[in-house]
Amino acid sequence: DAGITQSPRHKVTETGTPVTLRCHQTENHRYMYWYRQDPGHGLRLIHYSYGVKDTDKGEVSDGYSVSRSKTEDFLLTLESATSSQTSVYFCAISENVSGSPLHFGNGTRLTVT
Amino acid sequence: GENVEQHPSTLSVQEGDSAVIKCTYSDSASNYFPWYKQELGKRPQLIIDIRSNVGEKKDQRIAVTLNKTAKHFSLHITETQPEDSAVYFCAAKISNTDKLIFGTGTRLQVFP
Repeated sequence: DAGITQSPRHKVTETGTPVTLRCHQTENHRYMYWYRQDPGHGLRLIHYSYGVKDTDKGEVSDGYSVSRSKTEDFLLTLESATSSQTSVYFCAISENVSGSPLHFGNGTRLTVT
Repeated sequence: GENVEQHPSTLSVQEGDSAVIKCTYSDSASNYFPWYKQELGKRPQLIIDIRSNVGEKKDQRIAVTLNKTAKHFSLHITETQPEDSAVYFCAAKISNTDKLIFGTGTRLQVFP
């Protein structure tokens, strides 16, 4: 298995609170991604990174921010969590998006009450 | 924006039968199309992928076909087994970006 660790694995938080999810990789891959998974919507891209301090928006970026200060860490922040952000969040890494597969982490189940 | 459509959303087959899942994409310049399998409670895992310079790729009981003109690609599973039961996702790389966009998934159930 690719060396990807997501933390926490589960989190329950209240509406309006800030939340940060962490993705840590030991593969030294250039690309890192955050997806959310919801029934009927599949996997939707939130943000991604193509290098240290280099990030870009995905399909559903509103309400989320990211940071990548080191190759191995990619943080996803919900500045003020809403119930619509209740979801399972997956981090993924890739060596080369045009030729190498995405390797996913085990996911973080976030519930916003 | 670019999108990927996947059909059917659910598929039930008898063990030993074949299963086919179809996806269409909107970006005519897309050049990479992976398929992922996700078992219940687990992470998605790559099962096969195809690039736009080939029309078909096989790996044992799994095959993927690509029709660039029609902008669709399909996953074929032959001799299905109960352990093939899972949710399958297709995806397409958006041209000139580092983004991989996924379909909405197909829940495959294989009955013994």
